[in-house]
Amino acid sequence: SQQGEEDPQALSIQEGENATMNCSYKTSINNLQWYRQNSGRGLVHLILIRSNEREKHSGRLRVTLDTSKKSSSLLITASRAADTASYFCATDAENAGNMLTFGGGTRLMVKP
Amino acid sequence: KAGVTQTPRYLIKTRGQQVTLSCSPISGHRSVSWYQQTPGQGLQFLFEYFSETQRNKGNFPGRFSGRQFSNSRSEMNVSTLELGDSALYLCASSLRVRDTEAFFGQGTRLTVV
Repeated sequence: SQQGEEDPQALSIQEGENATMNCSYKTSINNLQWYRQNSGRGLVHLILIRSNEREKHSGRLRVTLDTSKKSSSLLITASRAADTASYFCATDAENAGNMLTFGGGTRLMVKP
Repeated sequence: KAGVTQTPRYLIKTRGQQVTLSCSPISGHRSVSWYQQTPGQGLQFLFEYFSETQRNKGNFPGRFSGRQFSNSRSEMNVSTLELGDSALYLCASSLRVRDTEAFFGQGTRLTVV
């Protein structure tokens, strides 16, 4: 079963705009990771944020984590057509080793 | 540094057959996890190995099994294939036993006919 829900399920924006995706989860976590997947290929690791962190940046990516609300958001700034992909959040629950539980994903389309 | 390597990339099998998929983790990584991705169920955890020991197992029937070798390479096996086993099977490699990044391979696309 999936731990989290991602919102929205699909998002279509113009190149240059910002894209925000949200993820909610159910249990206490060690960390939350965001991944990108292009068209049925492997998952590309974007960023990991630990439960004691509130915000993290990597290039054009900004991730926030609110453990009191059990939610996270991924912001992609100044989007490009190459950002078109599905984005997944995955939680690493406490006492679960490296088992990740994934959300359903957000399909992002960036129009040139 | 080479990434996670999964072989083969594509497979077509007939119902009732068995299949073995292979995963070579990033050099130095000792944790390997397997996931199944389908349009209906999304990404689901199969099992995790660390130092040749299975540490976690997902909610899959016993037809799904795996193992890890002393060089950290891992294989998963599905016996008595069913049409519903058609999926993208993804392998992830991690450095530590917990609370660490998981890096994925390109996956093996299995089609059962």
